[in-house]
Amino acid sequence: TAGITQAPTSQILAAGRSMTLRCTQDMRHNAMYWYRQDLGLGLRLIHYSNTAGTTGKGEVPDGYSVSRANTDDFPLTLASAVPSQTSVYFCASSLTEDNEQFFGPGTRLTVL
Amino acid sequence: GENVEQHPSTLSVQEGDSAVIKCTYSDSASNYFPWYKQELGKRPQLIIDIRSNVGEKKDQRIAVTLNKTAKHFSLHITETQPEDSAVYFCAPRNSNYQLIWGAGTKLIIKP
Repeated sequence: TAGITQAPTSQILAAGRSMTLRCTQDMRHNAMYWYRQDLGLGLRLIHYSNTAGTTGKGEVPDGYSVSRANTDDFPLTLASAVPSQTSVYFCASSLTEDNEQFFGPGTRLTVL
Repeated sequence: GENVEQHPSTLSVQEGDSAVIKCTYSDSASNYFPWYKQELGKRPQLIIDIRSNVGEKKDQRIAVTLNKTAKHFSLHITETQPEDSAVYFCAPRNSNYQLIWGAGTKLIIKP
C-alpha cells in the first residue's frame, strides 16, 4: 500500500508561471488537506476537502486553488507563482475530518 | 483568530531524563489535541492525541495531559533516547475541524 504520495519531490519555478502539485491517496480517506510549512514555523492550512466534490478555504488560501473530482486525488494549483510561495507543501488525508491526519512526504517548491 | 503557543521553542535534555513541552490555545471550543513529531526533512507523524473528555493519556514513554479550563495541554516524554531528537508540534483542532499548529519545539537529546 502506497498510502499518500506527492509529486514532484521538489521544483524550481519562475515567478509568474503556473504549477500543479499532485497528491494521491489509496486509503479511501474522505478528507484531504494541503498545508505549507515555512522555515521555523508550524504548518498552515491552505485548502481542504471533507469529501469528494467539496472544497473549503483554510488559513492561507490566496494564490492557490484546489479541486476534488474523486476520492483519491487532491491537486493544488498555483496560477501565477510568486516568491512568497516558496515553501514545503504537505498533503494530508484522514478517514473523516474527525480522525487522525496522515501526511505525504512533501514537495519543496522554490519560486524565483 | 485562534492563537496557539508552544514552550519552550528549544529543549535540550540529557539522555535518560524527561522532557515536557507545553501548548496553550485560545479557542475554548477545541476538542481534539494531537502532538506530531517531525524529524529533519521528513513528514509530520502523529505520536499521541487526546480528546476533551479525557484528562491524560499514556503510550509507553509518551503521555499527554490536558487542562481544558486553563486551555493548555502538555507532552511528556520519559527516559529520553537519541531517536527522540526532532521537532514536536501541537495542533489543537478548532470548531471548524481545522488543526491550528504551534511553531514547534526542537528537542535535543544530549548523549
